[in-house]
Amino acid sequence: DARVTQTPRHKVTEMGQEVTMRCQPILGHNTVFWYRQTMMQGLELLAYFRNRAPLDDSGMPKDRFSAEMPDATLATLKIQPSEPRDSAVYFCASGLVVSSGANVLTFGAGSRLTVL
Amino acid sequence: AQSVTQLDSHVSVSEGTPVLLRCNYSSSYSPSLFWYVQHPNKGLQLLLKYTSAATLVKGINGFEAEFKKSETSFHLTKPSAHMSDAAEYFCVVSDGTGRRALTFGSGTRLQVQP
Repeated sequence: DARVTQTPRHKVTEMGQEVTMRCQPILGHNTVFWYRQTMMQGLELLAYFRNRAPLDDSGMPKDRFSAEMPDATLATLKIQPSEPRDSAVYFCASGLVVSSGANVLTFGAGSRLTVL
Repeated sequence: AQSVTQLDSHVSVSEGTPVLLRCNYSSSYSPSLFWYVQHPNKGLQLLLKYTSAATLVKGINGFEAEFKKSETSFHLTKPSAHMSDAAEYFCVVSDGTGRRALTFGSGTRLQVQP
């Protein structure tokens, strides 16, 4: 089965350090999403790419977060500098927008980030 | 604008009894609607989707949902709960054009009692 691959699965770091999370979307998918999940806030959309172009990153704190798609096989989410409040599970999802507009997403297993 | 409201944050049922997870949506467009399930420490998995075809949609693991435009609802049901159904369920709306990101509900945690 095709899957979305996220690395690292777990990351523990200290406040102030740079964190990079990577995602390999499913080949042929034209949309990529980054979501953050916490107990308090639930699932929050951070960024949304279509055909590698950012469509919506309004949910992302711009001063410390950045999301890119250097090529169709790689999406990255960087946090610099990281803060304890960034501790969460970060999910990447990819999908294919079809003519009906439906965008069925396949989620990765998530990257659990702990910032001490 | 689009939004989705999951009416119950927690639902508890006994094994073998029916499951009903409620979802209401709003959308300026003809929406696509989805239900995703998340088991503990796992990613989200698609259960089923509605994309303007049949209003009664069947998904995996015996789940189904009915799109009711007049009620702006997309409730998830299952005739008989199984212990393995215990998870978090998310109702999701898309605007149907693909131009906007999906909007997730806040989730409903389903507990299944033996």
